[in-house]
Amino acid sequence: EDQVTQSPEALRLQEGESSSLNCSYTVSGLRGLFWYRQDPGKGPEFLFTLYSAGEEKEKERLKATLTKKESFLHITAPKPEDSATYLCAVQNYGGSQGNLIFGKGTKLSVKP
Amino acid sequence: ETGVTQTPRHLVMGMTNKKSLKCEQHLGHNAMYWYKQSAKKPLELMFVYNFKEQTENNSVPSRFSPECPNSSHLFLHLHTLQPEDSALYLCASSQEWAGGAGELFFGEGSRLTVL
Repeated sequence: EDQVTQSPEALRLQEGESSSLNCSYTVSGLRGLFWYRQDPGKGPEFLFTLYSAGEEKEKERLKATLTKKESFLHITAPKPEDSATYLCAVQNYGGSQGNLIFGKGTKLSVKP
Repeated sequence: ETGVTQTPRHLVMGMTNKKSLKCEQHLGHNAMYWYKQSAKKPLELMFVYNFKEQTENNSVPSRFSPECPNSSHLFLHLHTLQPEDSALYLCASSQEWAGGAGELFFGEGSRLTVL
């Protein structure tokens, strides 16, 4: 069964304190792994797609990496505005279109 | 208007009411989706429409009825809901192409409370 597990559930950082969020996945055939950011009361905002092991993508203070079993979202020198819930999702080749398997998310709080 | 817009943003209804959620996408995408987000649970796919045709119904109870009149508009008709149906309902769209993984672009959601 396809599954996505994110850890930790919640993470508190001081401004400037770098850290990483983990997304472990099991999927029959990975078509893509996605990272989203979700602010309270809003819909998820697309951040990255990763397709194959070894791939990396960056956007401002965020860097996403992918291995055959997990993905990391590295946050370098975070700011309070980075506070949000970060969601990881996978799509497999055998699954129907748009049927992303989501994790429960990691809630990040960055204190000034 | 840009992106994916959903109305209403908040809805409170009784168990015997009938209401509808509306979604409109301005991205020129060819697929639209309804997702449900409940507290402490991952997002769950409910329905998929590709070129206005429903291609997925993820075992959703019949009290939820989708409608897609064209590739830009999507509705979710609600009737005789239960309190456990209270959740954030998210609409999304994507551009699907063979061999690719289509990124989903979400609206801000409709927060539904069933009394």
